[in-house]
Amino acid sequence: EVQLLESGGGLVQPGGSLRLSCAASGFTFNTYAMSWVRQAPGKGLEWVSIISATGHATEYADSVKGRFTISRDNSNNTVYLQMNSLRAEDTAVYYCVGGFYYMYYFDYWGQGTRLTVSS
Amino acid sequence: EFVLTQSPDTLSLSPGESATLSCRASQRINSDYLAWYQQKAGQAPRLLIYGTSRRATGIPDRFSGSGSRTDFTLTISRLETEDFAVYYCQRYGDSLEFGQGTKVDI
Repeated sequence: EVQLLESGGGLVQPGGSLRLSCAASGFTFNTYAMSWVRQAPGKGLEWVSIISATGHATEYADSVKGRFTISRDNSNNTVYLQMNSLRAEDTAVYYCVGGFYYMYYFDYWGQGTRLTVSS
Repeated sequence: EFVLTQSPDTLSLSPGESATLSCRASQRINSDYLAWYQQKAGQAPRLLIYGTSRRATGIPDRFSGSGSRTDFTLTISRLETEDFAVYYCQRYGDSLEFGQGTKVDI
């Protein structure tokens, strides 16, 4: 059974930093591109970032470029999202998602971890 | 700027009826790289359709996708109570964007 288990969410002040983690199991992690997709309260889905299976390629949404960094550890089947200079508009549930091809549709979704940016 | 616009925002139907959801792209989508996801309340989204018309694993055949270039459709025939949810279209390949969603409710 495929599992994507996110952790690291919480309450952070504006300007602060946080790192999200996603532990994967049930599929060949090192062959899948991994992304983060977020959903603000009551809103739709927004793709945030993607990293290729090898970790050599990354892309970011304009809304987070320069502030967020995606990385992965294929030896531990984990993907990360380092978030700096957080803003109120970053408040959302962050989903870890996996897709077999880079920049393709998303086969697997985690249950999400909630981030609240507020003073 | 590439934009996906879904319509209607909300579709009110009854079990047994059919639903037709639209997703319109501001620019042509190459190679029919259009996917659809279903999100039930309090749950993560799940993949329904990819490549415009290909059902993902385990998706019942009452879900079907069609379209090309800039106009795409998700059709749900014979709605069941479990189908009442929010549906999102997604462009992939050149870039990754979602539509704003269509809620199918009773």
